[in-house]
Amino acid sequence: SQQGEEDPQALSIQEGENATMNCSYKTSINNLQWYRQNSGRGLVHLILIRSNEREKHSGRLRVTLDTSKKSSSLLITASRAADTASYFCAEPPTYGGSQGNLIFGKGTKLSVKP
Amino acid sequence: DTEVTQTPKHLVMGMTNKKSLKCEQHMGHRAMYWYKQKAKKPPELMFVYSYEKLSINESVPSRFSPECPNSSLLNLHLHALQPEDSALYLCASSQVRGQLAGYTFGSGTRLTVV
Repeated sequence: SQQGEEDPQALSIQEGENATMNCSYKTSINNLQWYRQNSGRGLVHLILIRSNEREKHSGRLRVTLDTSKKSSSLLITASRAADTASYFCAEPPTYGGSQGNLIFGKGTKLSVKP
Repeated sequence: DTEVTQTPKHLVMGMTNKKSLKCEQHMGHRAMYWYKQKAKKPPELMFVYSYEKLSINESVPSRFSPECPNSSLLNLHLHALQPEDSALYLCASSQVRGQLAGYTFGSGTRLTVV
């Protein structure tokens, strides 16, 4: 399996604090994607970072990518109770022009307490 | 319309039943996917359709039968399922070059096999 690994598996913080989740992957990538899943619901695409990018921002989200270490991190600043969810990193296929298995990491379950 | 719609949201079926899950998108995406997600696990790919043709079958048992009648619809026909098939079934779609953009997921069908 090429499944990535996130850590921590679970994270509990207070509202207003920052949350950092890490992801390690095993293959060469064109990009890395982060998704959020509220309990029992579908996944929502948050942000995509390309392999030639080192950092990307979207609102309160900041994603970094270190291809030499095959790792990425997702930072959520000034967290809110509504950020409570599971967060997954995902590697898309590297072969061009075709679809394949979007490989999800095991996920981090984030709990933000009001 | 930027959504993937899945029906039904919940389904309870017996092991001798035949049922179908439905997925619809109107974003012009030409790649569509079925994922299976067990509790506290990441989604796992079942099938990929590209231009209405099955391009990937991740060794899924034949009791699951996908169908793509047109570019907007994706069905998953279920027959003679086992209790261990109980899970959240997620449909997703993406641009043809899916690896360069995020996937759009539906909210899923929560399936219980009794």
